[in-house]
Amino acid sequence: QQQVKQSPQSLIVQKGGISIINCAYENTAFDYFPWYQQFPGKGPALLIAIRPDVSEKKEGRFTISFNKSAKQFSLHIMDSQPGDSATYFCAASKESARQLTFGSGTQLTVLP
Amino acid sequence: DAGVIQSPRHEVTEMGQEVTLRCKPISGHNSLFWYRQTMMRGLELLIYFNNNVPIDDSGMPEDRFSAKMPNASFSTLKIQPSEPRDSAVYFCASSWRGPAAAFFGQGTRLTVV
Repeated sequence: QQQVKQSPQSLIVQKGGISIINCAYENTAFDYFPWYQQFPGKGPALLIAIRPDVSEKKEGRFTISFNKSAKQFSLHIMDSQPGDSATYFCAASKESARQLTFGSGTQLTVLP
Repeated sequence: DAGVIQSPRHEVTEMGQEVTLRCKPISGHNSLFWYRQTMMRGLELLIYFNNNVPIDDSGMPEDRFSAKMPNASFSTLKIQPSEPRDSAVYFCASSWRGPAAAFFGQGTRLTVV
């Protein structure tokens, strides 16, 4: 019930391409869906987040698409750059709760 | 602000030894989290403090793990005795408005041999 499933495990994209990472959740009580970016040797950093009352949120080249009925959400990185190469984690939580449930992570490599 | 500061960055210890990981949260943050990251299990929340008080320690794997927060600027995670399966990267994070807006430290990579 607490699981968040993330795919793909790894992704290779050419510079300028679109990177798409997908997540699915089970617990319908979740009401906050953040994405984290993690570079090697660093801790995860909050990238962008969405609440289920909207279907899309965009910040620069990063967009979250949210499908409440399907219990799925995805991260789109437009015009992907080599500097975007990192591991991306989706997560879900109830804002009133203490615990974030993380996906398993996607290692993104953007080729120059 | 220097961000969340963790020490040491790397720790190698022998099985059975006591290990203490340290964390200095961002000044003004009232919530502190300890996470563990492994390839097999991903990111797991171990314990959560709010205003220096442990609120949820249900993620602490067993009695060998303990965490303290004696004041708003310092926390420790102790493993005694350590075991090889404790090898992981341990992250401390702090926030002022819940887990999703937490700022993570750079982590401590623990290797138990």
